[in-house]
Amino acid sequence: DGGITQSPKYLFRKEGQNVTLSCEQNLNHDAMYWYRQDPGQGLRLIYYSQIVNDFQKGDIAEGYSVSREKKESFPLTVTSAQKNPTAFYLCASSSRGADTGELFFGEGSRLTVL
Amino acid sequence: AQRVTQPEKLLSVFKGAPVELKCNYSYSGSPELFWYVQYSRQRLQLLLRHISRESIKGFTADLNKGETSFHLKKPFAQEEDSAMYYCALRALKGGGGNKLTFGTGTQLKVEL
Repeated sequence: DGGITQSPKYLFRKEGQNVTLSCEQNLNHDAMYWYRQDPGQGLRLIYYSQIVNDFQKGDIAEGYSVSREKKESFPLTVTSAQKNPTAFYLCASSSRGADTGELFFGEGSRLTVL
Repeated sequence: AQRVTQPEKLLSVFKGAPVELKCNYSYSGSPELFWYVQYSRQRLQLLLRHISRESIKGFTADLNKGETSFHLKKPFAQEEDSAMYYCALRALKGGGGNKLTFGTGTQLKVEL
């Protein structure tokens, strides 16, 4: 089944702990993205990567880190420096070459900091 | 920097009534505009893009550069249209690829 897989769906973390959210895609897409979704604030871009071994900060990158060692994987680490980490996180991918603007989204991961 | 504004958090209409979801944007260059939709328990997905000028599920949207708007319209609402709708903008300059800026979303509720 082709698409984007995010794990875990639900995650609880104690304050001061780092946590890593997984995002895997088998669509052969070059570009991948992480968005944060909060009620009333829509989707805000955290990080994006247009090619392996390269990534750029989005609008709210502080307190987050990413890596892109493989084309199909783009994990997001929520560090203890993130002041308000409780949120719903969405991963997406797109074909870099195709000029469509279409992003394909995962089902999301809900992080709760206790 | 670009910005997308959706002024309504919630829009409630009766089945068969016309629907208009508002979207305004600010961007100094030439943008591409999109509508994404998230149905209950489903993933966020592309509904339509302005460049295609097509009607999807009865919805249309016209880019009005003078008013910097991209409102989503449907003449007759159906129950299955109930969902969260996001307007999004892609800046065609800056090398950001398919990086999109999203609005805050409008929850459409179609009542019987």
